[in-house]
Amino acid sequence: DTGVSQDPRHKITKRGQNVTFRCDPISEHNRLYWYRQTLGQGPEFLTYFQNEAQLEKSRLLSDRFSAERPKGSFSTLEIQRTEQGDSAMYLCASSRDGRNTEAFFGQGTRLTVV
Amino acid sequence: DAKTTQPTSMDCAEGRAANLPCNHSTISGNEYVYWYRQIHSQGPQYIIHGLKNNETNEMASLIITEDRKSSTLILPHATLRDTAVYYCIVRGDLYNFNKFYFGSGTKLNVKP
Repeated sequence: DTGVSQDPRHKITKRGQNVTFRCDPISEHNRLYWYRQTLGQGPEFLTYFQNEAQLEKSRLLSDRFSAERPKGSFSTLEIQRTEQGDSAMYLCASSRDGRNTEAFFGQGTRLTVV
Repeated sequence: DAKTTQPTSMDCAEGRAANLPCNHSTISGNEYVYWYRQIHSQGPQYIIHGLKNNETNEMASLIITEDRKSSTLILPHATLRDTAVYYCIVRGDLYNFNKFYFGSGTKLNVKP
């Protein structure tokens, strides 16, 4: 399967702990996106990479959140000092360049902060 | 920043065509209309997209009105597996073409 892969699929953590999620995009895609989705809502944009450069960040991405894509391939999203409000599904997507391109999403990482 | 309006939910009988409307009255000339769907607890799945011409693929058809202010996604023979939330997204303006804005979508219930 050459789709977008996310790991882990589920994560339960205690409040105050740090967590890190990984996303492996489709190999020839140089754009990578992170989204967050809470129950009953559509996905909300967090950040976007063009190759290894992080070109845009939503104001939803507080200073406790950091994302990297060091070699322009896989990406990580780290949340420091987790809060209960961080509980959500974290989705990764990738696409080729261009405005007329579709983005393909992974299955997401469901985070529960207890 | 939702740019689209969709009904909250719709029902469709299995085997019948499902027609999902979307209003995007403020769309600009270079913005594309995309449709995704999300089956419970899975990531969004790409369905189809278009600019001004009608489009068809193996999953669905997309009908865009001539003034481009609205569109309809058509699933020609809905099955129970098509039960999902369907998102209509406008993408591609000068400042936002890197992002897909998801609204709340339409929950399609396909019934036997």
